[in-house]
Amino acid sequence: QLQLQESGPGLVKPSETLSLTCTVSGGSISTTNYYWGWIRQPPGKRLEWIGDMLYSGTTYYSPSLKSRVSISLDASKNQFSLELRSVTAADTALYYCARRTTRPWYMDVWGEGTTVTVSS
Amino acid sequence: DIQMTQSPSSLSASVGDRVTITCRASQTINTNLHWYQHKPGKAPKVLIYATSSLQSGVPSRFSGSGSGTDFTLTISSLQYEDFATYYCQQSSDAPWTFGQGTKVEIK
Repeated sequence: QLQLQESGPGLVKPSETLSLTCTVSGGSISTTNYYWGWIRQPPGKRLEWIGDMLYSGTTYYSPSLKSRVSISLDASKNQFSLELRSVTAADTALYYCARRTTRPWYMDVWGEGTTVTVSS
Repeated sequence: DIQMTQSPSSLSASVGDRVTITCRASQTINTNLHWYQHKPGKAPKVLIYATSSLQSGVPSRFSGSGSGTDFTLTISSLQYEDFATYYCQQSSDAPWTFGQGTKVEIK
């Protein structure tokens, strides 16, 4: 059974870079059939899709975050990562990693989430 | 971006009740609508994909319907383990967007 687990610092200073890793177990990340990505939920707000990528290297980002986001895969470690640059308090959220299917493009496996607070 | 609006935002119900949650899109999304269940501290779980397809392992008391802009998630007989928050999500047009959630509480 495929499982995803987020890891990374719970506190990041304003203007710095938020970095999170998602470790995949019970299956391989090296497949062309799925997208590997990130979703977040700020306190009191709805879920927000950040972006994802295919094993081939093609990335897809939300336009609202595209200028600050990078997602990458490390097949040797069966992990994928999120970098969000120049963070502000508005980036404080519960961050989830998730696997997205090909069409009809829904998230079929999620991690439990990790809380990231942006504060000095 | 396509805006997704769920109603109600919360509801109270008893075990055995039939529960219906609706989701409306700001433009037509055909049948590209999915439903998730989320419990605090747990990974969200997909229940229904493509409007009405039941995800493997999900109990048959969950069902979905709709097309175009209006969609419904129905729980035919609410069980204790169904008390959670439910979200809809569209995949008709990127960026993929979610409803604000419907919290189902015990009456």
